[in-house]
Amino acid sequence: QVQLQESGPGLVKPSQTLSLTCTVSGGSISSGGYYWSWIRQHPGKGLEWIGYIYYSGSTYYNPSLKSRVTISVDTSKNQFSLKLSSVTAADTAVYYCARDIPGLGFDPWGQGTLVTVSS
Amino acid sequence: DIQLTQSPSFLSASVGDRVTITCRASQGISSYLAWYQQKPGKAPKLLIYAASTLQSGVPSRFSGSGSGTEFTLTISSLQPEDFATYYCQQLNSYPPFGQGTKLEIK
Repeated sequence: QVQLQESGPGLVKPSQTLSLTCTVSGGSISSGGYYWSWIRQHPGKGLEWIGYIYYSGSTYYNPSLKSRVTISVDTSKNQFSLKLSSVTAADTAVYYCARDIPGLGFDPWGQGTLVTVSS
Repeated sequence: DIQLTQSPSFLSASVGDRVTITCRASQGISSYLAWYQQKPGKAPKLLIYAASTLQSGVPSRFSGSGSGTEFTLTISSLQPEDFATYYCQQLNSYPPFGQGTKLEIK
């Protein structure tokens, strides 16, 4: 079955760019029919959707983060990536990647990766 | 944006209890609603989609109902492993999630 795994630095300095990659196994991003999303969760808080990408490269971002977010896809590696620029301590969170099935929901999810923004 | 409001935000219950969590949408979303369960330190898990369809492998004590603007998640007889946080998600637009309901042991 499809599995997702996040990877990237666990510590990022303020004002720098957070970069994470989600590797998809057990299925191809290029097969279409799904969106591929990033979602984050601040410590002790609820879920915040960041944005999604389609295998074609089309994207849609949360308006609250749009100015700082870039999501890209590498179909040859079956990966999609998140870049969040000009980070502050408020961006400290667990970041999840997930397959977004239209009309159904997010399934499956990666295990999540904690990113701390600190000098 | 469509806003989702879950109630209650916190719920204390005992093993064997029947519990209901409500999710209200700021505008009609037909049956485009999903429910998730999240345990501490784990990723959310899809429980129910299309408001009332159980995801494969989800115990039948979970059920969902509703359409339009009001939805419910019901657990018919709480088991120890059900104590978790539950989120609703609307599938009509983004951003999608309710604020969550934390279900705690009484």
